[in-house]
Amino acid sequence: QKEVEQNSGPLSVPEGAIASLNCTYSDRVSQSFFWYRQYSGKSPELIMSIYSNGDKEDGRFTAQLNKASQYVSLLIRDSQPSDSATYLCAVNGPAGKSTFGDGTTLTVKP
Amino acid sequence: DTAVSQTPKYLVTQMGNDKSIKCEQNLGHDTMYWYKQDSKKFLKIMFSYNNKELIINETVPNRFSPKSPDKAHLNLHINSLELGDSAVYFCASSLRTGAYGYTFGSGTRLTVV
Repeated sequence: QKEVEQNSGPLSVPEGAIASLNCTYSDRVSQSFFWYRQYSGKSPELIMSIYSNGDKEDGRFTAQLNKASQYVSLLIRDSQPSDSATYLCAVNGPAGKSTFGDGTTLTVKP
Repeated sequence: DTAVSQTPKYLVTQMGNDKSIKCEQNLGHDTMYWYKQDSKKFLKIMFSYNNKELIINETVPNRFSPKSPDKAHLNLHINSLELGDSAVYFCASSLRTGAYGYTFGSGTRLTVV
C-alpha cells in the first residue's frame, strides 16, 4: 500500500464546475497536510495547507481533512482553464518529511 | 528575486561522468531538501538538511552526496552517472523541520546519455 494515494485521474471538468481531488494516507501519526499545484514543466507550488479536522477555505480553494478516515481533499470552485495542472497531495510526519502522492492531473475545458 | 534557485536548469551528460547541482535559498529557511521526480512525475525525497545538519538520508545510492556549506545552500554531487539517474531534481526549503510546506526551486532536468 502506498503511503499517500490520490485519484488516478486524469480528471476533466467543464469551466465553472467544481473539481474534487481526493487523497488518502496510511500513517496515522501524520500531522500536516498540503496541496501543491504543478503546471507542466514547472515546479510544484504550495496552494493549501491544513492541520486540523474540518474545512479550510482560501478563495476558490477548500481543503478538507478527516484524520479518523485518513482522508484529505481539495475542492476547486468555479474551475478555470488556468487551473489545469497536476495536483499533488503531501503528508508530513513528525520528522517533517513530506511524502507525496502520485498526483492527479486536472483539465478544465472552456 | 528568486526564492529558491537551482543551477543548472538543464544538464545533459554521458554515463560515467560526475556532475553537481547547486541550490540556494534567500528565504531565511532553516531546512532544505533534495527531491527526485521521475518520468511518471512521482516526487521522492532523497535528503534533508536542517541548519547544515543532515537529518534525512533516504535509500539513495552512495553515488549521490549532498553537501550544505551553510543553511542557505545545499548542493548535490553525483558520481558515475547512470542512465537511471535521468530525472528532474528539485531543491526545496521550509521554514523549519515539521509542519511546514515547501518552496521549490525550478528544478534541474538531468539527462544521462
